[in-house]
Amino acid sequence: KAGVTQTPRYLIKTRGQQVTLSCSPISGHRSVSWYQQTPGQGLQFLFEYFSETQRNKGNFPGRFSGRQFSNSRSEMNVSTLELGDSALYLCASSARQGANEQFFGPGTRLTVL
Amino acid sequence: QKEVEQDPGPLSVPEGAIVSLNCTYSNSAFQYFMWYRQYSRKGPELLMYTYSSGNKEDGRFTAQVDKSSKYISLFIRDSQPSDSATYLCAMSPNNAGNMLTFGGGTRLMVKP
Repeated sequence: KAGVTQTPRYLIKTRGQQVTLSCSPISGHRSVSWYQQTPGQGLQFLFEYFSETQRNKGNFPGRFSGRQFSNSRSEMNVSTLELGDSALYLCASSARQGANEQFFGPGTRLTVL
Repeated sequence: QKEVEQDPGPLSVPEGAIVSLNCTYSNSAFQYFMWYRQYSRKGPELLMYTYSSGNKEDGRFTAQVDKSSKYISLFIRDSQPSDSATYLCAMSPNNAGNMLTFGGGTRLMVKP
């Protein structure tokens, strides 16, 4: 069974630009969560999607948004990029909402210059 | 103060040693406890998943949860150089969906 896939793996953007990251969950998994990982703050929850609806949201500004499609694939968007948005963005899938066993993808490394 | 505290290490041990990794937490609502292993430039890999207090064993790995002390541990027996990675604890209350709260991670180095 294929794992969680994320594209692109690496991305370089400049301040003020926007970026869209993509995540395909494990086949049959319907819940997708997004996390930001930085050396200073560690892994922080961004949001969770289940059945195309955002179910939970972490403490991030409105510049961070996401969506989920009917095939459970998810995208997250960051607008008006700031230097502090440089991070590893991780997507995790689980079989159902509320299932704490989450399986992570390899992440997208975003660098903002 | 962070909700979940974890010694960042690095923790250096010789091959074959027993490794003890720990996390403390402040939120008494946490009921689900997980350990992830993360290799450099990779996503976290789920190692252990436990609910409430008690022990759980899986091969060389044993997870312990002591809710009265708000303290969880991961023991690795017969450590191998391939165990060298960052170990992250994560936890969640019953009703938070999939919102995990992570510790900062402990970097482990197992020397041959």
